[in-house]
Amino acid sequence: QKEVEQNSGPLSVPEGAIASLNCTYSDRGSQSFFWYRQYSGKSPELIMSIYSNGDKEDGRFTAQLNKASQYVSLLIRDSQPSDSATYLCAVNLNSGGYQKVTFGTGTKLQVIP
Amino acid sequence: DGGITQSPKYLFRKEGQNVTLSCEQNLNHDAMYWYRQDPGQGLRLIYYSQIVNDFQKGDIAEGYSVSREKKESFPLTVTSAQKNPTAFYLCASSIQGQGFYEQYFGPGTRLTVT
Repeated sequence: QKEVEQNSGPLSVPEGAIASLNCTYSDRGSQSFFWYRQYSGKSPELIMSIYSNGDKEDGRFTAQLNKASQYVSLLIRDSQPSDSATYLCAVNLNSGGYQKVTFGTGTKLQVIP
Repeated sequence: DGGITQSPKYLFRKEGQNVTLSCEQNLNHDAMYWYRQDPGQGLRLIYYSQIVNDFQKGDIAEGYSVSREKKESFPLTVTSAQKNPTAFYLCASSIQGQGFYEQYFGPGTRLTVT
């Protein structure tokens, strides 16, 4: 089982719709969860962090965390063509006494005008 | 401006040559990281460092070396022992401690070895 799993997509949504991106993780001891956006050829950009169960909203973005189900999601409301990118889920894991962040392989989102 | 710089943006080398990628940050972050990204794949951790003069191997450290002599700098050397060095290399930094590990990335260096 991969430590952090995401559907690779592509996920296609029409402009103005809600895009829902999902991620599962294997380590129950994980404390920190992140969503990054990566445009083609560019480096990842942090868009959301979430540390406790429930929802966290920032503008059009909402991150949802369910530690019991080991599940974290990202909702993008009113999707725009500029949201078309690959979205990486990242989770901190305890590795031999050191904390490190492990990334999923990403979900490619396509917003259709 | 605070941030992370990587240089150069593009790098071309012949097979058998060692090459060093630069990473500098002025965010006063304690931890720094090197990742490799191949087309269609996620980020794979090469090395990370949580404090000066200390670093740990990541998942794919073979063929790479690092140093951390200054808090601001974490250069990565790709040696001739790395079998498939062509990739997009990303440096990141973060604050350490208390469960908060938000990592911020530099712009990356795209290395091509022929």
